[in-house]
Amino acid sequence: AQKITQTQPGMFVQEKEAVTLDCTYDTSDPSYGLFWYKQPSSGEMIFLIYQGSYDQQNATEGRYSLNFQKARKSANLVISASQLGDSAMYFCAMREENTGNQFYFGTGTSLTVIP
Amino acid sequence: EPEVTQTPSHQVTQMGQEVILRCVPISNHLYFYWYRQILGQKVEFLVSFYNNEISEKSEIFDDQFSVERPDGSNFTLKIRSTKLEDSAMYFCASSGSQIGQGAGYTFGSGTRLTVV
Repeated sequence: AQKITQTQPGMFVQEKEAVTLDCTYDTSDPSYGLFWYKQPSSGEMIFLIYQGSYDQQNATEGRYSLNFQKARKSANLVISASQLGDSAMYFCAMREENTGNQFYFGTGTSLTVIP
Repeated sequence: EPEVTQTPSHQVTQMGQEVILRCVPISNHLYFYWYRQILGQKVEFLVSFYNNEISEKSEIFDDQFSVERPDGSNFTLKIRSTKLEDSAMYFCASSGSQIGQGAGYTFGSGTRLTVV
């Protein structure tokens, strides 16, 4: 089974609107972390936001927030007030406490912000 | 802010040639990693390295790959005899601790390898 599933290969959003990028995960480890990365066309991986499995509150970082629904195993990224510079690939990733250090990445969502 | 540095940013190599990708992890980090992203696909784990040895590796990391920390700062990925399908973006990462999911896990900006 896939550890991370991103079901939206491409998304469009109007500038200044909010957009939600979906991510579901699969793990039996009770302790894990969920991450979102942005990858612009230049290729680098830019860390956006992190949510720990024991965190009580949803993570927020500026215009980014993570809608963490543990029972549903979802960790959707919400970008508020979209900007043209937000156009990029977005990857959801997970790291498990007890099964090694590697990140498991989803297949990504390509976000295009329309002026 | 500390960063992971990768060189070169882009490398073109002939099929069958050896290539070495270089990384300088964050100085006080103890765990080092290589990931690969074939164009248009997801990022895949290759190998993790701790205490001068491989701690974990994926099925992709076969005998043509090797990693080394030749001195106190560099961390290298060697591909012995490159194939066309090795063309990808290779990311180095380092982290300060195995325990704790945040743990300062930082990716480099990647080396784009093109095998011709």
